[in-house]
Amino acid sequence: AQTVTQSQPEMSVQEAETVTLSCTYDTSESDYYLFWYKQPPSRQMILVIRQEAYKQQNATENRFSVNFQKAAKSFSLKISDSQLGDAAMYFCAYGISNFGNEKLTFGTGTRLTIIP
Amino acid sequence: GAGVSQSPSNKVTEKGKDVELRCDPISGHTALYWYRQSLGQGLEFLIYFQGNSAPDKSGLPSDRFSAERTGGSVSTLTIQRTQQEDSAVYLCASSKTSVGTDTQYFGPGTRLTVL
Repeated sequence: AQTVTQSQPEMSVQEAETVTLSCTYDTSESDYYLFWYKQPPSRQMILVIRQEAYKQQNATENRFSVNFQKAAKSFSLKISDSQLGDAAMYFCAYGISNFGNEKLTFGTGTRLTIIP
Repeated sequence: GAGVSQSPSNKVTEKGKDVELRCDPISGHTALYWYRQSLGQGLEFLIYFQGNSAPDKSGLPSDRFSAERTGGSVSTLTIQRTQQEDSAVYLCASSKTSVGTDTQYFGPGTRLTVL
């Protein structure tokens, strides 16, 4: 079974600084997708960034980028120039692309605090 | 609608009562998912609907849990004879198709408290 591990229950960063959230996963699949979701206090899960396993290039979305190491099964999220609005729970998630089996497996989350 | 909506936002019930949670997916999305988020935990998959196909119920924790999706749109998650361990946030998500390339968009969730 696929598992997703986030080993940092909590992280904090000074505003405008850079922070990296860690995620590792275990799978026997070769084709899959990885996601980072943000969950602010409003509970709304918001997609931050996604990565297709077949792509070697790391995904980037503005201040958010990932370091995808397929062999190491590692998928970390880097947030540059941290802003107060980045404070939230961040969840790493894994999904496979087989039709009919698209449920996501989530890690337990990392609570990110931004220090003004 | 513009996004996935869920109702009620919060639900408090007594142990042993039945509850129904509703999800309205994004218009045109054929895939719909239910997840459960217990305190301090990640999301746990419950059930998945895709079009007219039989749902994937592999995540339902017991036979007290059931879900239906009427007309390929609105879905209702029903929990019978609620127990205190059912207390959690129940999140619904939808995606355009069920192919892995399609992003799942989440609703704001229903917080269920069983006293």
